[in-house]
Amino acid sequence: DQQVKQNSPSLSVQEGRISILNCDYTNSMFDYFLWYKKYPAEGPTFLISISSIKDKNEDGRFTVFLNKSAKHLSLHIVPSQPGDSAVYFCAAKPNTGNQFYFGTGTSLTVIP
Amino acid sequence: ETGVTQSPTHLIKTRGQQVTLRCSSQSGHNTVSWYQQALGQGPQFIFQYYREEENGRGNFPPRFSGLQFPNYSSELNVNALELDDSALYLCASSLGGRPDEYEQYFGPGTRLTVT
Repeated sequence: DQQVKQNSPSLSVQEGRISILNCDYTNSMFDYFLWYKKYPAEGPTFLISISSIKDKNEDGRFTVFLNKSAKHLSLHIVPSQPGDSAVYFCAAKPNTGNQFYFGTGTSLTVIP
Repeated sequence: ETGVTQSPTHLIKTRGQQVTLRCSSQSGHNTVSWYQQALGQGPQFIFQYYREEENGRGNFPPRFSGLQFPNYSSELNVNALELDDSALYLCASSLGGRPDEYEQYFGPGTRLTVT
């Protein structure tokens, strides 16, 4: 049972434009959410996180939005750069326990 | 500061065999988590070790076992290998504790192929 879903396997965006990656979850007990970026032959790298007490968190070009009522989060990258081309995973953790649940990933390609 | 390292990089085993994968955590990190990433899937949590004790386990059978050493490095052992165990195995270290310490730092993974 996939509790964290990324329904878009891939996304292509022109350099300089906004990239929006989406993630949906089913478990209302999730209270901490993260985005990871993964390049080929490397492990995932932490990008940005958000706690359920917030609805937005910003770090430079990266902003994560959380809509708890819709059980939806999104990652905005503005402006997109070719170096952002990678697979992006969202992950969530419930308020008890230490298990992180990952989505299946979205492959982002930023076209120069 | 040394990052998370894993060994070996690649491994080929036969069904029914046993395998041990190793992970050295990032300096100062006392928590290690192991994940299995099958092709086209996201990482799936196997278990976590905190200060040498198992501190949470995902939906994996007992033939997946682990160990954490006093220097916080860790091993993942898989007995009676099955073809479906073929995957990328990722190790991640973190400080654990408070939510703002949950950021995990991943190693590059060990690619296990079971034939």
